[in-house]
Amino acid sequence: QKEVEQNSGPLSVPEGAIASLNCTYSDRVSQSFFWYRQYSGKSPELIMSIYSNGDKEDGRFTAQLNKASQYVSLLIRDSQPSDSATYLCPETSYDKVIFGPGTSLSVIP
Amino acid sequence: EAQVTQNPRYLITVTGKKLTVTCSQNMNHEYMSWYRQDPGLGLRQIYYSMNVEVTDKGDVPEGYKVSRKEKRNFPLILESPSPNQTSLYFCASSTGTGISPLHFGNGTRLTVT
Repeated sequence: QKEVEQNSGPLSVPEGAIASLNCTYSDRVSQSFFWYRQYSGKSPELIMSIYSNGDKEDGRFTAQLNKASQYVSLLIRDSQPSDSATYLCPETSYDKVIFGPGTSLSVIP
Repeated sequence: EAQVTQNPRYLITVTGKKLTVTCSQNMNHEYMSWYRQDPGLGLRQIYYSMNVEVTDKGDVPEGYKVSRKEKRNFPLILESPSPNQTSLYFCASSTGTGISPLHFGNGTRLTVT
């Protein structure tokens, strides 16, 4: 059974700070890596896709991927209260997408 | 607008009364999947479909059925709902799981009494 480990939450950061979220995968099946954000009671929404090693930046979000270590992180700069949500990084294979419980982030005004 | 449409958004039913939750996508996606989400457990995959007429069990398929007769539709059927199926359900689709992200519907909150 594939597993995804995320940093244990809940994670609290003050407004304007950098929030750091991490995922480690249990096997080497995943070739594509995605970060989703989910507000309570709402559906997950894609915020970042990363396919190759290194960094990818999109606005206040930066994803970092190390395929050899099966590790992906998400940095949120200048955190805003609207960033308060659960962040998900599923393990993906050709037929399944396995989600962990995610990391809950609270940005304190 | 590209979207995944689930209906209904809210459903309250009684034990044993068959129900269907519909899911439709307009993006010509081959892959579709159903998840349930319960507090503290995250999203768990119920069934998925790689293409028309191809369906497979996910991690928690017991008590559910699906069908994929058309590419755009992937209904979730509960033949005899029980209270432990009270949950928040999401349908999702993508062009291919290994290469592209999932697009989610808005969810269906089901309560079985």
